[in-house]
Amino acid sequence: SAVISQKPSRDICQRGTSLTIQCQVDSQVTMMFWYRQQPGQSLTLIATANQGSEATYESGFVIDKFPISRPNLTFSTLTVSNMSPEDSSIYLCSVEDVSNLAISTDTQYFGPGTRLTVL
Amino acid sequence: EDKVVQSPLSLVVHEGDTVTLNCSYEVTNFRSLLWYKQEKKAPTFLFMLTSSGIEKKSGRLSSILDKKELFSILNITATQTGDSAIYLCAAAYSGAGSYQLTFGKGTKLSVIP
Repeated sequence: SAVISQKPSRDICQRGTSLTIQCQVDSQVTMMFWYRQQPGQSLTLIATANQGSEATYESGFVIDKFPISRPNLTFSTLTVSNMSPEDSSIYLCSVEDVSNLAISTDTQYFGPGTRLTVL
Repeated sequence: EDKVVQSPLSLVVHEGDTVTLNCSYEVTNFRSLLWYKQEKKAPTFLFMLTSSGIEKKSGRLSSILDKKELFSILNITATQTGDSAIYLCAAAYSGAGSYQLTFGKGTKLSVIP
């Protein structure tokens, strides 16, 4: 499986500020995904980030609040803008499984996550 | 609305016990059912199931899918304290030009010595 790193692993921020989370993969992938996991909740997809096109946002998430960049096939960033305490969550990036391009698979592999606390 | 429901939400067992975790799903354009183990932040992949009735096995863990009843189970035999984690199931479905995963809330498993 792909090796995925995320930075920062955790941060404590003041309300009204913004934080950019980076996701780096050791292999080229077309599809990268950004999820949020609020305390005690499951993973919720924020957006799908494909290289060369605008990110596709899920219902309830907007580009102004969560701008995403995807400059190449191994890197993406998610920015959490104008933060409030409700944004306190774990943010996870994931990538599609590209270990065997001959086989279609729905498996996603996750990065180590970023734990964000907004005061 | 697409949904994935897991039960129980939490479970406490003793080492050596066998546990069965349940996952029911209701999604449009279903593709596959996935199981993940989440210990700290990052979910780690366990199984992907696409066909009914075919058991997938990895060590003490096994899983099976019933596409008629829209249901999957994850079995863990001879549980160990290292199995303590949140187990997530996710249904993959075809979205706009690609696929997406929708996750259940997870089952929190605690294995006590």
